[in-house]
This record gives sequence, C-alpha cells and structure tokens, in this order.
Amino acid sequence: GAVVSQHPSWVICKSGTSVKIECRSLDFQATTMFWYRQFPKQSLMLMATSNEGSKATYEQGVEKDKFLINHASLTLSTLTVTSAHPEDSSFYICSARTGKRSTIYFGEGSWLTVV
Amino acid sequence: AQTVTQSQPEMSVQEAETVTLSCTYDTSESDYYLFWYKQPPSRQMILVIRQEAYKQQNATENRFSVNFQKAAKSFSLKISDSQLGDAAMYFCALTGNQFYFGTGTSLTVIP
Repeated sequence: GAVVSQHPSWVICKSGTSVKIECRSLDFQATTMFWYRQFPKQSLMLMATSNEGSKATYEQGVEKDKFLINHASLTLSTLTVTSAHPEDSSFYICSARTGKRSTIYFGEGSWLTVV
Repeated sequence: AQTVTQSQPEMSVQEAETVTLSCTYDTSESDYYLFWYKQPPSRQMILVIRQEAYKQQNATENRFSVNFQKAAKSFSLKISDSQLGDAAMYFCALTGNQFYFGTGTSLTVIP
C-alpha cells in the first residue's frame, strides 16, 4: 500500500529554538496533507489542512505564526514549530491523500520534547 | 462545521466475543467518507474500514463491519470473534474537505 514517511521520529530541542518535521508521500502524489497533534490518551487534534501550492488552512485556536506549514510539492509537507516552548511538547502526526475520495495514509508520527 | 462523537471512552470484550463501538457525526457536506482507525500503543494509525456516504451497503472487512445509518448520522463498528490483537484505541473519522477524528474508544480484550 501507499507509504507516508515522517521524519524525525523523535526530536529534543531547547526552548526558544525552532524544529522542522517532514512528511513525505513515498509512492503517490499527495494533493492534501493534514497535520495533527495528539496529547497522551487523547484524540488527534487537527491543526491544519495543507493543499499543494497554496497556503495551509489552520483550525481555530492554532497559531499559524508558531506552527508554520509548507506544502511546496506533491510529495512533501513540513511543519515547523517556531520558538518552541515546553508546552509544545507533544506527538505530531501527518496524513496524506491524493484526492477527496481517496484513502488517507498516515505517517509514523513525531515525538517532540522541548526542554 | 463537522463533528465526530464517540460516547464510549472505554469498552471491554471477552476474547472470541463480539463488540460494537459507537460513533455519531454531523456534517454540512454532502460528499463525505467515514472511517474507523485503530491506534495501538506504537501510535501508528491503522485503517480498519472505510464507508462512502453515498453507498447504502454497509462496508465489511473480514471480522470488522459497520452499521451506517445515514439519516441518523450514526456509524458504528462491530468487531466479531475478538482477538487479543484487537486491543487498541479506536477512532471514528469523517472526511470531506477536512479530516476530523472522534475522541476515541479504548478497547480491552479479556483472555
């Protein structure tokens, strides 16, 4: 089946620095990618919807200047957490699809720890 | 706006028995799809089953089947012959232009 690769799986960064997480569709063209945040024992919270070549659509309450999302190509989307703080520590996961009616595939997720 | 509601935070089932997980949703879109995903402790999201809203026939996938009631906006998952490997968090999800998840149901399988 289709594969979505997310990197890095684990990252530790210092408070105040920025960190980038990549989401790649390895064998299909992802016209849309979704970024989620998941707290322990909770559901996936949709942060933003990213369509290739256009600006991401952020969910209410998500700071677009803090969580920068870029979807410059059909196979790559990136999430950059800027000026990270300990409260940004979480599990971040991406998913991708080719079209509105297609199956959605998930990356493996990334654990971010801000110290 | 789209919402997905799972009213059962936790469920348990005896091995080899059947269990049903509930999900209700609301959407203003006419073209949408419903999913059940499984998330084991590894956190990898695994697609269990998918239902196109325009199809009346309930989707089935081996031991997994759904009861899709479009008018009631209900989408429950039935797991037959439960196995120990079925233990996980189960999320109901709705997609149209966005992709939203319910709050999840933690399923325990008792040997």
